[in-house]
Amino acid sequence: ETGVTQSPTHLIKTRGQQVTLRCSSQSGHNTVSWYQQALGQGPQFIFQYYREEENGRGNFPPRFSGLQFPNYSSELNVNALELDDSALYLCASSMHLTRGSHEQFFGPGTRLTVL
Amino acid sequence: LAKTTQPISMDSYEGQEVNITCSHNNIATNDYITWYQQFPSQGPRFIIQGYKTKVTNEVASLFIPADRKSSTLSLPRVSLSDTAVYYCLVGDGGFQKLVFGTGTRLLVSP
Repeated sequence: ETGVTQSPTHLIKTRGQQVTLRCSSQSGHNTVSWYQQALGQGPQFIFQYYREEENGRGNFPPRFSGLQFPNYSSELNVNALELDDSALYLCASSMHLTRGSHEQFFGPGTRLTVL
Repeated sequence: LAKTTQPISMDSYEGQEVNITCSHNNIATNDYITWYQQFPSQGPRFIIQGYKTKVTNEVASLFIPADRKSSTLSLPRVSLSDTAVYYCLVGDGGFQKLVFGTGTRLLVSP
């Protein structure tokens, strides 16, 4: 059983550019969530995908978008990068469980630096 | 929106028991209480989850009083490798959105 993997591990972009981050979910999991973690802060929920559709969204602007593929892997796209987008981006996979259960399996993250 | 409050930091020594308490006054009826551990530059790792009373697994125990407005994560006999940030979370709505606070930084010294 493979865990959650993310690519790339590190990325440097300049302001205004676009970036795509990738995530492969853990075997058997059908739900993927994305989080942004600024230095010294807890992760902040961006959105979640289930059955290839967005299944909830946090307080992030539309320039943050995502996809989930039939094999449950996922992409996070960020357009028009801003300096404040510099953060660790975390992907988490889970099974679409009953309401209230929150066990998710996180990947190692992608460290994005915007200059 | 269920909000959690936990101490910013805690210090301990190897071999001691550590108890981290979290308050969540607005917890919803269907919500579970979940704790995650995070090491620097790594994703959070699920530790334990419970709904009421007491839950124990191979690494920790979780104590939840009857009113469920608080919970306590208990780490028995901590080691240096338990130095990490610990997050207490409760549910938020009909999907599995995790709402992280700033967590508790636990420092275990020799």
